[in-house]
Amino acid sequence: DTGVSQNPRHKITKRGQNVTFRCDPISEHNRLYWYRQTLGQGPEFLTYFQNEAQLEKSRLLSDRFSAERPKGSFSTLEIQRTEQGDSAMYLCASSLIGQGLTDEQFFGPGTRLTVL
Amino acid sequence: SQQGEEDPQALSIQEGENATMNCSYKTSINNLQWYRQNSGRGLVHLILIRSNEREKHSGRLRVTLDTSKKSSSLLITASRAADTASYFCATVARMDSSYKLIFGSGTRLLVRP
Repeated sequence: DTGVSQNPRHKITKRGQNVTFRCDPISEHNRLYWYRQTLGQGPEFLTYFQNEAQLEKSRLLSDRFSAERPKGSFSTLEIQRTEQGDSAMYLCASSLIGQGLTDEQFFGPGTRLTVL
Repeated sequence: SQQGEEDPQALSIQEGENATMNCSYKTSINNLQWYRQNSGRGLVHLILIRSNEREKHSGRLRVTLDTSKKSSSLLITASRAADTASYFCATVARMDSSYKLIFGSGTRLLVRP
């Protein structure tokens, strides 16, 4: 499968615990995006990387959230001291900048986080 | 906060009928894209229309864009039960080098067999 993959698909945790999600983008893609989606809403941008550099972070990304893309390939999103309000679907997308004018983003299946 | 609003929020039609969904947005855009999401799954890119385009077709999909009204519509012709999903419009803001997508709140489409 050459699409975007995310692990785990589901995560249930207790409030106050730390969680880490992983995203593996399409191999040649140089941009990687994280979005968060709550029930009944559209996804909201969290942050993005170009290669290994994190270039923009949303105000939604509090200091409990940290994202990395150490070698410009896979990325991790960590949430420390989880809160019930963190419960959401976390979506990863990748794209290849410069591919015509579309810069189409390809989404992974998401990681659904439930904080009890 | 989200950029756009979709209208209607929910739509129920009979198989074979056409489905029209509308999207309004707030800022100047580089392009507007439509995505589909099956329940609990990731998003699938359907079609992209650039700010200098007015209409685009892809199979049973027709998208229009009116930048003066800051609105777009997605028409699905001859709908099928398999078209049942949520549909989102997403914009890329003009001059935004991140090309991040700003999504609307979506239209939930139910196609009854």
